[in-house]
Amino acid sequence: QVTLKESGPVLVKPTETLTLTCSVSGFSLSNARMGVSWIRQPPGKALEWLAHIFSNDEKSYSTSLKSRVTISRDTSKSQVVLKMTNMDPVDTATYYCARMTIWGSYRPFDAFDIWGQGTVLTVSS
Amino acid sequence: SSELTQDPAVSVALGQTVSITCRGDSLRTYYANWYQQKPGQAPVLVIYGKNNRPSGIPDRFSGSSSGNIASLTITGAQAEDEADFYCNSRDNSGNHWVFGGGTKLTVL
Repeated sequence: QVTLKESGPVLVKPTETLTLTCSVSGFSLSNARMGVSWIRQPPGKALEWLAHIFSNDEKSYSTSLKSRVTISRDTSKSQVVLKMTNMDPVDTATYYCARMTIWGSYRPFDAFDIWGQGTVLTVSS
Repeated sequence: SSELTQDPAVSVALGQTVSITCRGDSLRTYYANWYQQKPGQAPVLVIYGKNNRPSGIPDRFSGSSSGNIASLTITGAQAEDEADFYCNSRDNSGNHWVFGGGTKLTVL
């Protein structure tokens, strides 16, 4: 059974650095057809993609948040970590990690097929 | 543009058919995926790729696309289908992912 589970603080203060951990099971972070993204959702608002780590350890970041976000992984622990600096109240959201799977060969396509339950974060002094 | 645009809200009578659309330049190159999110829950993938359903997703859900528009169709909507639906795809660069603004589906 494939699962992802987010963990981290419930509350951070403005200007602090956030660290979230996604613990995965049931698949390998080194699987060439899989990767893990972080996605967030402010209360009552839409989903926003933040960052992605590929099976070869390459990373991709949202253009708007690239200067503040770092994604990394520890394959021995099956964990993906998101760090976000200089937190602000507008960063208040539910943060999800999700597995991305790639299908096909001639015209590959991908989707976030398994999601964690999400972790609720409030940024407030 | 790398954005995906969805209508904010759509309604359908119980048992009828409804389509939810997603518009974006990147959809000319990349498939749209569709996610259903019920209140207080994580999103669930319902359609991916050209028109694929993950295991456990009812066959009343289907996907299609034409040009820069992708559609999710629910044939014979049920009360339990009431939820927010999000489309997603890669952006024009192919190096990032984007989500639409979401469509709230009400089943009357």
